[in-house]
Amino acid sequence: QLVLTQSPSASASLGASVKLTCTLSSGHSNYAIAWHQQQPEKGPRYLMKLNSDGIHSKGDEIPDRFSGSSSGAERYLTISSLQSEDEADYYCQTWGTGIRVFGGGTKLTVL
Amino acid sequence: EVQLVESGGGLVQPGGSLRLSCAASGFTFSTYSMNWVRQAPGKGLEWVSYISSSSSTIYYADSVKGRFTISRDNAENSLYLQMNSLRAEDTAVYYCARDEGMDVWGKGTTVTVSS
Repeated sequence: QLVLTQSPSASASLGASVKLTCTLSSGHSNYAIAWHQQQPEKGPRYLMKLNSDGIHSKGDEIPDRFSGSSSGAERYLTISSLQSEDEADYYCQTWGTGIRVFGGGTKLTVL
Repeated sequence: EVQLVESGGGLVQPGGSLRLSCAASGFTFSTYSMNWVRQAPGKGLEWVSYISSSSSTIYYADSVKGRFTISRDNAENSLYLQMNSLRAEDTAVYYCARDEGMDVWGKGTTVTVSS
């Protein structure tokens, strides 16, 4: 079964860096994923698409502070030089035959 | 500008029907697959349905299978979601999103199912 697992919450200080993790279920470690950001009271925004070997494409006007990487079944989103507007929910998402799946989301708090 | 704009949401009684629309602009709509995604109040994102660019392939989440129907009109650059037999648990903001990676999102339309 295709499942994405995310930690429910994360926090980091203003100006620091944070690395969010999205884990693909067993047998699906080669799947591409996408990262999406949802700021409070707003709709989701596409950040980037990640293949098993790295970033495939990044959304328009997404700052360079946002980067992605992969290792095995793990897909990472790293945000550097954290700003207050980065406080948001971050969702990973993937797709397969007959299904599209979201992770449960990580709520990022900027301290 | 690449844009998706949803419409058609509203308040409907349990068992009722509603048809959502998503108007696309700024890109060649007919070459992209599309999705509907929803978000219940205070909850995460939930994929609802997918349609390929030519409408030849359609998928539904188990939670809506048999009740919702996705369709598109490439000549009108529009995506639709016909929702029948609505339940309280279908209450959510409904978004349309482009392609497998959902690289473009609309702002959403709110559906409330309540008596």
